[in-house]
Amino acid sequence: GQNIDQPTEMTATEGAIVQINCTYQTSGFNGLFWYQQHAGEAPTFLSYNVLDGLEEKGRFSSFLSRSKGYSYLLLKELQMKDSASYLCAASDNTGKLIFGQGTTLQVKP
Amino acid sequence: GAGVSQSPSNKVTEKGKDVELRCDPISGHTALYWYRQSLGQGLEFLIYFQGNSAPDKSGLPSDRFSAERTGGSVSTLTIQRTQQEDSAVYLCASSGGLANYGYTFGSGTRLTVV
Repeated sequence: GQNIDQPTEMTATEGAIVQINCTYQTSGFNGLFWYQQHAGEAPTFLSYNVLDGLEEKGRFSSFLSRSKGYSYLLLKELQMKDSASYLCAASDNTGKLIFGQGTTLQVKP
Repeated sequence: GAGVSQSPSNKVTEKGKDVELRCDPISGHTALYWYRQSLGQGLEFLIYFQGNSAPDKSGLPSDRFSAERTGGSVSTLTIQRTQQEDSAVYLCASSGGLANYGYTFGSGTRLTVV
């Protein structure tokens, strides 16, 4: 079956680093996406990994291990505005995105 | 257009009525997706259109749900005989085929069935 697992909630402190993990099982694999979604808004694209390794984009980095079916999103120098849901999604062999339930991150002062 | 446009932004309907939700994707994007998001939940895949290929309807929850994409552009999601459990935000996304740019989502239609 197709399944994406990620923690439901996380809390971190402003200025700190947080890592959000995601494991996936899909029928075929065409890449792993991370999206950010603020309450009441549409998801916005953060990152895409299709090869093993780390992709860095400013304060945000995303890692993929295809052999382990595992990814993480790393957020550095946390800001209050980073409080949001973070959605992990894997693209299967038809091209559609299968989403996890999302991780709600609360950043505290 | 500059982004994915969905209408209406909010829809309140009585149980048993039919509703139509519209999605206008980014011009030139060949792929179009519909997802449903219930309160506090992740995104549930509904249907996927890719170019002229037959759509992937594997996520439609019942035969009350259908979708069309006319002329490879605008898409309409129709829910017949709405039920209270259909209440959710319906999100549309489009993609131009370059995965490293992700899929662009519209702002969604919040459907409330009373």
